[in-house]
Parts: sequence; structure tokens; C-alpha cells
Amino acid sequence: GAVVSQHPSRVICKSGTSVKIECRSLDFQATTMFWYRQFPKKSLMLMATSNEGSKATYEQGVEKDKFLINHASLTLSTLTVTSAHPEDSSFYICSARDWNRGRNEQFFGPGTRLTVL
Amino acid sequence: GESVGLHLPTLSVQEGDNSIINCAYSNSASDYFIWYKQESGKGPQFIIDIRSNMDKRQGQRVTVLLNKTVKHLSLQIAATQPGDSAVYFCADSTGTASKLTFGTGTRLQVTL
Repeated sequence: GAVVSQHPSRVICKSGTSVKIECRSLDFQATTMFWYRQFPKKSLMLMATSNEGSKATYEQGVEKDKFLINHASLTLSTLTVTSAHPEDSSFYICSARDWNRGRNEQFFGPGTRLTVL
Repeated sequence: GESVGLHLPTLSVQEGDNSIINCAYSNSASDYFIWYKQESGKGPQFIIDIRSNMDKRQGQRVTVLLNKTVKHLSLQIAATQPGDSAVYFCADSTGTASKLTFGTGTRLQVTL
């Protein structure tokens, strides 16, 4: 149980295009999902907290107009990188909380590697 | 700012030996701590967690120790196996807030 999937696993796009990444909780309902960014050999940096049915809460320094987050259902959150540029190339990881399991435990997706040419 | 950090960036151990990965955290209000394992190109995988009202918790081959006095967390892996090779992250959170603060990570290399 507590499986989180991400799609796509890899995406390569041209500079200036927008890319949408999906995060799904497969066997539980996630009222809260999180989006992280990870650079090579670095730790995970929280970008935003996504709450079902409401606006996402962005961390300081993260551009909300650049990284659009939508959490339209209890099992799906999407991250759209708008007008992507090479500096947006990174490993994007989502996680989800299963409130029934524990207070703060988060289950992570497999990540999406974005490469912007 | 608040941060969770690790003492050693890389730890190399022989197969069968015990591994100890350390983590220092700075937020004295943190009350929940988790260790994650991340293999290359994959998302973090939950290993074990501990709440601040405990100082030790054991799982299968793993033990987490928490020393709140010096704000130190450690992960002990018994009889380390090649499959344990990965990057290990500690993370903490505070109160009812869900969000986790991750440490910098330690790469564990298991040699045969």
C-alpha cells in the first residue's frame, strides 16, 4: 500500500515550452501532496505544498507563476513548468501524505527527470 | 535558518559490517524525524521514523537513535548488504506542519 506514481518519468523539451508532471496516489487518498526539486548529488528542496481543492503554498524563492500546481482531486496533483528554460532542468519528485497511516509520514513518487534543451 | 545536516558525505563499509550514518539537526522544535533511502534515479524510500518522545526505535536490521540534548540523529544498519548502497537522508518536521526539511545526504558504499 501507499504507492505514489509520477508521469512521465523522463521528459526532454525545448526551451520555452511548458511541461506537465502528474503525481498520483494509487491506493490512498492524499489531501496533501508535496513537490520537491533535486539537483544532482544534492538534497531534496521543497517547492510547494499542494492541498486538495485549494491553492498551493509555495516556499520562499519559488515562482508560483513559473511552477503551476493543481490538486484537483484526492489522488492527483500536477506540476506544470511553464516556459521552461535549461536552468529548470532537474529531478522533480512528489510525495503524498496518507492521513490514515500517520501524522507526518510522506510517501514519495519515483521522480521525473526534466531536461530542457 | 533552520537546517538538518549530515556529518559525512560518503561512508564506505564492507559487506557484513554495521553502518552508522549520522545527522545533526538545528531546529529544537522538531518533533518527528525520518530516515529515507534513495537509490540512483529513484524517489526516496521510507526506512524508519522516530518521534521526539523516544530515543531509540528498531526496525528490521535498522535502528534509529535520537539525542535531543545535542540534536543528533543516527541510523544504524546491521550486517550491511550490497543492496543497502544508496544515499541516505534524514528529515525532520515540527508539530502539525506536514512539511519535511531534508538533510544533505550521505552516500553509503558497500564493498565486497
